[in-house]
Amino acid sequence: GAVVSQHPSRVICKSGTSVKIECRSLDFQATTMFWYRQFPKQSLMLMATSNEGSKATYEQGVEKDKFLINHASLTLSTLTVTSAHPEDSSFYICSARPLGISGNTIYFGEGSWLTVV
Amino acid sequence: DAKTTQPPSMDCAEGRAANLPCNHSTISGNEYVYWYRQIHSQGPQYIIHGLKNNETNEMASLIITEDRKSSTLILPHATLRDTAVYYCIVRYDKIIFGKGTRLHILP
Repeated sequence: GAVVSQHPSRVICKSGTSVKIECRSLDFQATTMFWYRQFPKQSLMLMATSNEGSKATYEQGVEKDKFLINHASLTLSTLTVTSAHPEDSSFYICSARPLGISGNTIYFGEGSWLTVV
Repeated sequence: DAKTTQPPSMDCAEGRAANLPCNHSTISGNEYVYWYRQIHSQGPQYIIHGLKNNETNEMASLIITEDRKSSTLILPHATLRDTAVYYCIVRYDKIIFGKGTRLHILP
């Protein structure tokens, strides 16, 4: 199947700093990418939907100024957690929907563990 | 709103078929049924999807009832590596996850 890669897979940052997570579709172009957050023993929670070249659409309760999403090309979306706090520590997962006839299937990255100390 | 209902957990003996049910009584005509699974600390893995007809691929089979209000994912010969949380999802534009079914494969 199609491959979605996230980087870094694990990151530790200090409280108050910002951290960027990249999501790349390696073998397809994606018009739309999605960002999720998952706390231990919970399901994935959709944070936002990003469309290439336009502003992201955030789910209710997600602070858009804290979680900055940029989808600058058809193969790359980035999530920046600004002024990180320990409660932002979580597993962040992206997914991407390919262009074209396979557009119904959404593929997920392997996730990025963020620890804020 | 996840729009699907799944049992929270199931057990299956290794080598047997695992049948995971899902109810999606409010599904719309243009919404597909998707199944993903998440093995601990990894991103979700796509398994299979369908609209009305039954589907089969190298991983699993998907049986959708005629009224499309429920479906069953079948893993024909479960192995220990199939231990995961399985998510049944109904969507058209984005994936909203419910709580899924935690499948335990018993040796």
